[in-house]
Amino acid sequence: GAGVSQSPSNKVTEKGKDVELRCDPISGHTALYWYRQSLGQGLEFLIYFQGNSAPDKSGLPSDRFSAERTGGSVSTLTIQRTQQEDSAVYLCASSPNRFTDTQYFGPGTRLTVL
Amino acid sequence: LAKTTQPISMDSYEGQEVNITCSHNNIATNDYITWYQQFPSQGPRFIIQGYKTKVTNEVASLFIPADRKSSTLSLPRVSLSDTAVYYCLVGGQSNFGNEKLTFGTGTRLTIIP
Repeated sequence: GAGVSQSPSNKVTEKGKDVELRCDPISGHTALYWYRQSLGQGLEFLIYFQGNSAPDKSGLPSDRFSAERTGGSVSTLTIQRTQQEDSAVYLCASSPNRFTDTQYFGPGTRLTVL
Repeated sequence: LAKTTQPISMDSYEGQEVNITCSHNNIATNDYITWYQQFPSQGPRFIIQGYKTKVTNEVASLFIPADRKSSTLSLPRVSLSDTAVYYCLVGGQSNFGNEKLTFGTGTRLTIIP
């Protein structure tokens, strides 16, 4: 079956612009996760959704970052007024239910802020 | 929030057994330990998950001591295709019902022919 998909695969934007990153999880997966991976660095957890609800948003780097999920499916990560330090690969993952299930990762969106 | 550390890199010859250790001194009671493999330009891929003692599947084993402050991923008879970055992930539901997830720093494993 189809895996986790993310769009766009690459995004180049100018500093100060807003960007939206999209994640389509595996059908039926109720849990969805966003991570950030800076060049040559490890994975930074951003936010987790169970259904449409995100219990804790404290992992988001700043108030310029927001995320939502609708219909228990597609999720959007929005970065407002992008900064150069936002440049990274943004990874989305989904799992059948909660964290203890295997997470299936998408290919990521590479964001470059000029 | 559990802080996890791993060796930055490891080298091994083909056919050897490789053990990668992750330290997570602040692991919480509800936290599970999961290991992922990541190739360049790809998302991480699940290898194995455990809570305590030993877990084995078709590709790896995971050893977790009684105090759970560390875990060791064991890859038997590695091949060149096992060259990748390996991450441990520690997390689970906090007492407040939130999900806290902390990836380790990652270990770059290079298999030498």
